[in-house]
Amino acid sequence: GQQVMQIPQYQHVQEGEDFTTYCNSSTTLSNIQWYKQRPGGHPVFLIQLVKSGEVKKQKRLTFQFGEAKKNSSLHITATQTTDVGTYFCAGSYNQGGKLIFGQGTELSVKP
Amino acid sequence: GAVVSQHPSRVICKSGTSVKIECRSLDFQATTMFWYRQFPKQSLMLMATSNEGSKATYEQGVEKDKFLINHASLTLSTLTVTSAHPEDSSFYICSARDPNRGPRGGELFFGEGSRLTVL
Repeated sequence: GQQVMQIPQYQHVQEGEDFTTYCNSSTTLSNIQWYKQRPGGHPVFLIQLVKSGEVKKQKRLTFQFGEAKKNSSLHITATQTTDVGTYFCAGSYNQGGKLIFGQGTELSVKP
Repeated sequence: GAVVSQHPSRVICKSGTSVKIECRSLDFQATTMFWYRQFPKQSLMLMATSNEGSKATYEQGVEKDKFLINHASLTLSTLTVTSAHPEDSSFYICSARDPNRGPRGGELFFGEGSRLTVL
C-alpha cells in the first residue's frame, strides 16, 4: 500500500544546533505537506510543496521536495526551545485526496 | 483562518458503552472530513473519510460497524465508537479542508482532538 516513511523518529539537539527530518515515498506524490504537533496538541499546517524540486523557506525552516516527487525534507537552522514538538510529513497521491502521514520526528531542544 | 472544532476533548467511559465525538467546521462548509486516530508517540492513522450525504469511506482494517460515521450536514461529522473496549482508548482527531482556498488549498485543518479512555 501507499506509505510515507519518515526518519529519524527522535532527535535531541542543543539549542542553536540544526535539525533535519526526512520523508520518503515509494511512489510519486502529488504533493507533500508538513505539520507540527506540540505535546498535547493537534497538528498544525506548516507548508505544502507541489512542484518537483521545490524549495520553500519560512524564517529558519527550509522545506524541500525532491526532483522525483518521492522525498522531502524539513531543515531547521539554529533551533530554539519553541521548535519543540513532533514534525510530520504527509503525502497525497492525488490533488485533494487523502493524506498519508509519516511516522513523525519528535524534536527536543536543550536550552 | 479556517477553524475546526471537536467535542468532547476528553471522555472516559465504561467498557461496552458507546461514545459520540462531534467535529464541526465553524466558518466553512466541508463536504468531506477525515477522521484520524493517534496512539501515544505515534503517527496519525487515517480511519475513514466522511462524505456529506453519503456513506463514509473506511480505510482497510477499520471496522465500519465499530466506528460509525455520520456526516449529516456540511458543517458536522460525528464518529461513534460503539461498544467501546479498552483497546479503543486513543486520541481521535478530525480534519477538513476549506474549499474557499481553491484546488491548491490542500492543507488540513484539524480539530483539537478527543482523548478517549475506556475503563
